[in-house]
Formats: sequence, C-alpha cells, structure tokens
Amino acid sequence: DAKTTQPPSMDCAEGRAANLPCNHSTISGNEYVYWYRQIHSQGPQYIIHGLKNNETNEMASLIITEDRKSSTLILPHATLRDTAVYYCIVRGDNTDKLIFGTGTRLQVFP
Amino acid sequence: EAQVTQNPRYLITVTGKKLTVTCSQNMNHEYMSWYRQDPGLGLRQIYYSMNVEVTDKGDVPEGYKVSRKEKRNFPLILESPSPNQTSLYFCASSLRGSNQPQHFGDGTRLSIL
Repeated sequence: DAKTTQPPSMDCAEGRAANLPCNHSTISGNEYVYWYRQIHSQGPQYIIHGLKNNETNEMASLIITEDRKSSTLILPHATLRDTAVYYCIVRGDNTDKLIFGTGTRLQVFP
Repeated sequence: EAQVTQNPRYLITVTGKKLTVTCSQNMNHEYMSWYRQDPGLGLRQIYYSMNVEVTDKGDVPEGYKVSRKEKRNFPLILESPSPNQTSLYFCASSLRGSNQPQHFGDGTRLSIL
C-alpha cells in the first residue's frame, strides 16, 4: 500500500474552509484515498473516499489531483467540533486493511 | 441505527486475569477487525476476520485471541493480560472490498495493573 505524508498540524478559523493536504506519490491506479478523523479518543470516523474523481458528501469534499499523487480534504465551513486528528489513508484493492499514519491535528479556533 | 458496539468501554484489571472485550455490529458486514492505539504508535491492527470462521493475524497479534462464530460478533480475548496490553482498543467492520468504508466502535480503554 502507498504511504501518505500529511502536515502534523494545522489551524483554521471557525467558519472558514479547512483545506487538509495529503501526498501519496507512490499510489497505484487501483488504490483508493480514504479520509478518517478522530476526535479526542473516540473511534475513527469515516469522512470520505475516492479513486480518481473529486467527491463530495455532507461532511466534506475530496479533491484528487489528475496524477493522483496528492489530494486535499476540504471542510467548507469549519466548526469547533471539527477539531480532530485527520488521517489520509491509501488503500489497495486487494486488502481490507487500513494503515493509519500520524495524521494532521486540525485545531479550529473561534 | 447502524453501529459497532464494544463492551466494556473501560476496564481496570490485574495481570493474568482473563478478559474478553466484545464487539458486535448490526450491518451484516463480512469484515471485522481489532486495532489498538498507543501514544506515538498510532492505530495498529491486532486481528481481522473476513467472514465467519475465518480469522487472521494483523500486525501485533501476540497475547490476543479472537473468534468469529457468528457474523455479527468478533470478541477479543486476552487469556493472560499483561501491563503492556494497557491500551485503547477499537473494533471496526465493513463490507468486503476496497471501496467499502470501515466503521469503528467507540473504543475500549483497558488498564492492566
């Protein structure tokens, strides 16, 4: 499975968009990009995933570059409750396993 | 409501006293997995199961057992707990396939004295 690189921490003002980057330069054509978040010590929460196309759901948008070597998770209007550690995970098509890295700690401030 | 339920949520016990952490899901998922989370080490997979009666080791299986007699349940068994198994544990489940997101339980915090 491809490895991912994320900044260790980011800040965002409440109400603004939070853009969380992820590099996955060794991703292969059949590997999905997944995003999860973990609020304090709660269970990881699934946010969104994609293969090639950009995706949007009620929580966030996922923008994947054309070469698929990087992606950005967008929380359009961050709230204090979005303060969490965000994990970008690349998952192969021959495995159900998720490999968590260290993620990005997003702090949303008032 | 679709969910993964773990019990207990918190447990303090002593070395050597067998314990079981239960995990149940109501989504008819084939795949289930156990993770442990430790400071500085992130989430690591302990065991997983791809269907009933099919289980396999993850990255850190030593000191743990699992069983999958029914599709909905995937208990984690510590036959002789030791202090190095003090950790935060999560159970997860999903349908099979890399396009299927995993859903996690709320976690079980174990302290082994």
